[in-house]
Amino acid sequence: GAGVSQSPSNKVTEKGKDVELRCDPISGHTALYWYRQSLGQGLEFLIYFQGNSAPDKSGLPSDRFSAERTGGSVSTLTIQRTQQEDSAVYLCASSSVGGTQYFGPGTRLLVL
Amino acid sequence: AQKVTQAQTEISVVEKEDVTLDCVYETRDTTYYLFWYKQPPSGELVFLIRRNSFDEQNEISGRYSWNFQKSTSSFNFTITASQVVDSAVYFCALTKEDSSYKLIFGSGTRLLVRP
Repeated sequence: GAGVSQSPSNKVTEKGKDVELRCDPISGHTALYWYRQSLGQGLEFLIYFQGNSAPDKSGLPSDRFSAERTGGSVSTLTIQRTQQEDSAVYLCASSSVGGTQYFGPGTRLLVL
Repeated sequence: AQKVTQAQTEISVVEKEDVTLDCVYETRDTTYYLFWYKQPPSGELVFLIRRNSFDEQNEISGRYSWNFQKSTSSFNFTITASQVVDSAVYFCALTKEDSSYKLIFGSGTRLLVRP
């Protein structure tokens, strides 16, 4: 059975450029989460999707960050005008409603 | 506010030793869930256990065991007869029963098991 997949695995970008990170959840999981793992801040929640709507965006650090989910499946996290402090590992997780969250391998983002 | 504290930043043991990873949490909710995840050097977070606040029974799974005590707000994790493959960062996490069930993570404990 397929787990959560994320792409790309690694992304190196220049400061000021936009990046898109993709997450494919486990089939049938209606809940999808984005987290960020950085050295200084640990593991932080970014946004939660239930179906295609995002009832909890409370963790998005600035308006440069946005995310969408289409077809109740794939989600894309977009970071505009990247800054060096955006460098981190971005983790996606999916679950049934209220169920255990299963994580993908993450996207390691480096902003130069 | 909810908070998870893992006071042990790093632990080093020799193979076959037993080791306990501590987790203390804070919450005002009566219904909540506690988790442990393992993050090996490959980076992926691997689910280990989930426990709800109404179930204080200790759990044993092979060499792993968990001790949940509401009286001390602790959910400690013990590895018996540790192995080199247990080397990883271990995270304790908390979530409450609300609309998002988002996880609040501790800062993690890095376990190094030496041969």
